[in-house]
Amino acid sequence: DQQVKQNSPSLSVQEGRISILNCDYTNSMFDYFLWYKKYPAEGPTFLISISSIKDKNEDGRFTVFLNKSAKHLSLHIVPSQPGDSAVYFCAASARRDDKIIFGKGTRLHILP
Amino acid sequence: DAGITQSPRHKVTETGTPVTLRCHQTENHRYMYWYRQDPGHGLRLIHYSYGVKDTDKGEVSDGYSVSRSKTEDFLLTLESATSSQTSVYFCAIASGPYEQYFGPGTRLTVT
Repeated sequence: DQQVKQNSPSLSVQEGRISILNCDYTNSMFDYFLWYKKYPAEGPTFLISISSIKDKNEDGRFTVFLNKSAKHLSLHIVPSQPGDSAVYFCAASARRDDKIIFGKGTRLHILP
Repeated sequence: DAGITQSPRHKVTETGTPVTLRCHQTENHRYMYWYRQDPGHGLRLIHYSYGVKDTDKGEVSDGYSVSRSKTEDFLLTLESATSSQTSVYFCAIASGPYEQYFGPGTRLTVT
């Protein structure tokens, strides 16, 4: 059973607008959440993370929001740029666990 | 970028043959991971290591074994490759159980 769900396989956004990627999780023990970005033929790269003690973390154009009661997190990219076209993976980890659980990914297309 | 390399980068092999993929790091990180990426499945953990000679299974470990005799090297072995193991394999490293840093991947085709 999927513990981390990204229900949108793909998303298209106009350049300069806001991109919002969503992620839901089922395991209430998760206490750390991450977003990774992946270009074709490359390994995933770490983008941004958030601890469960926070509800928002910002890094430049990227902001992650965490809603623990809804078991939902989102990644906002503002403004969207052509280089943001990639697959984005949501991931989660439980306290004292050595593993990260990844979602299936959302492909983001930034339209000119 | 984290110092992590994978070899080979591409391999084509026949069903039933053994295959070993190598992950090498220069960061002296404690944790090392092997994932496979397949369309519609995202990244799935095969095996991981939390120290030299300390390994554990992930969610898709059947048909795979691993070894870690040195901090810097983590080997993934397919004892007898099958077509279902055609995939892109990624190694990752981490100093703690949170952010992981990925290698460039190995594309394996089993014919």
